Amino acid sequence: DVKVTQSSRYLVKRTGEKVFLECVQDMDHENMFWYRQDPGLGLRLIYFSYDVKMKEKGDIPEGYSVSREKKERFSLILESASTNQTSMYLCASSPTHNQPQHFGDGTRLSIL
Amino acid sequence: QKEVEQNSGPLSVPEGAIASLNCTYSDRGSQSFFWYRQYSGKSPELIMFIYSNGDKEDGRFTAQLNKASQYVSLLIRDSQPSDSATYLCAPSGSARQLTFGSGTQLTVLP
Repeated sequence: DVKVTQSSRYLVKRTGEKVFLECVQDMDHENMFWYRQDPGLGLRLIYFSYDVKMKEKGDIPEGYSVSREKKERFSLILESASTNQTSMYLCASSPTHNQPQHFGDGTRLSIL
Repeated sequence: QKEVEQNSGPLSVPEGAIASLNCTYSDRGSQSFFWYRQYSGKSPELIMFIYSNGDKEDGRFTAQLNKASQYVSLLIRDSQPSDSATYLCAPSGSARQLTFGSGTQLTVLP
């Protein structure tokens, strides 16, 4: 079974802090994704990566950056956290873009 | 026009009935179609996928695809209260990513 592991289930940070969310997959997948999910807004893609050191912006990249130094790990960085970034963050991976994505359990992030 | 549209819901059906979830998509380059189920507070999990026109059955679930009409649906037969969840449609497109619909919330009433 594919395992996508997100480093924290719940996280509380303060406005202005730099926040790191980590995601690791164990199936040698090429593609990795970061989404946020808010009530009534569905899943929104922040960034994705289709190879090591490669990244592409999704629909809402503002205020975020990503890092993929190793194939199995994809990090989401909130450069200066703001209250409107309070959300559920979901990481996913897939072998190719035409194959299903497998999701981690999510990180519920609160910015105070 | 949204890239992926799902029946807005919420949808309520009695236990034992057939639940019908619909999805239309705009990208004619879409090749693969995925249905995810998401329980409240949980992450999405893949329950069905379909690549070819027609029907695909897996237990109580049937996915139907009509590429000419750009339409994909999910039927749940003999609905159970445990099927109560939000169902997300996700066609693959010409880009390197899936496009998720906003989801249909299904409630199965005992």
